[in-house]
Amino acid sequence: NAGVIQTPRHKVTGKGQEATLWCEPISGHSAVFWYRQTIVQGLEFLTYFRNQAPIDDSGMPKERFSAQMPNQSHSTLKIQSTQPQDSAVYLCASSWTGENTLYFGAGTRLSVL
Amino acid sequence: QQKVQQSPESLSVPEGGMASLNCTSSDRNFQYFWWYRQHSGEGPKALMSIFSDGDKKEGRFTAHLNKASLHVSLHIRDSQPSDSALYFCAVYNMGYKLTFGTGTSLLVDP
Repeated sequence: NAGVIQTPRHKVTGKGQEATLWCEPISGHSAVFWYRQTIVQGLEFLTYFRNQAPIDDSGMPKERFSAQMPNQSHSTLKIQSTQPQDSAVYLCASSWTGENTLYFGAGTRLSVL
Repeated sequence: QQKVQQSPESLSVPEGGMASLNCTSSDRNFQYFWWYRQHSGEGPKALMSIFSDGDKKEGRFTAHLNKASLHVSLHIRDSQPSDSALYFCAVYNMGYKLTFGTGTSLLVDP
């Protein structure tokens, strides 16, 4: 079991460019979460999928952020027109539905210059 | 909006000592409190959960919950340098959502 896999581990973009972050959940897990981690805000919930369906995106900044889960083996978080304030570690986690242990990936560190 | 406050922000203990971390939630509608630990360069890893009043022990880690005051603590006995990490308290509710606290940075001096 390789755990939750996130790629890339580090991404550097220029202001205004697009960034796509990838997550491969643990095989068999039906729940996928995205969190953002910064020094100031800590760990913030972004969005949640269950059985590939979007359930809760209440933490997503509305205009430039979008998340998808086209199949059970991967999810993407896309940030359009990146801004310096988007610089953070983006963490993906998965779990079995109904089980409240989250298994996190190592994260993608996004740096917007 | 639910808030989860942790204290202290940082803590230093000698190797073999006891580390005590605190957490308070503002939301009575919780199902579980969780403790997660994050080493540098890694994602958070679940340590233990607690939902009943009183103590729950797992190895060197003991969690204590007081539901009336919405306060949970984590005590690490015989602290090891490998315990040096960020510790997060999290509240689980709504059937799926974990809301994390502000974190406590623990340093165990060898």
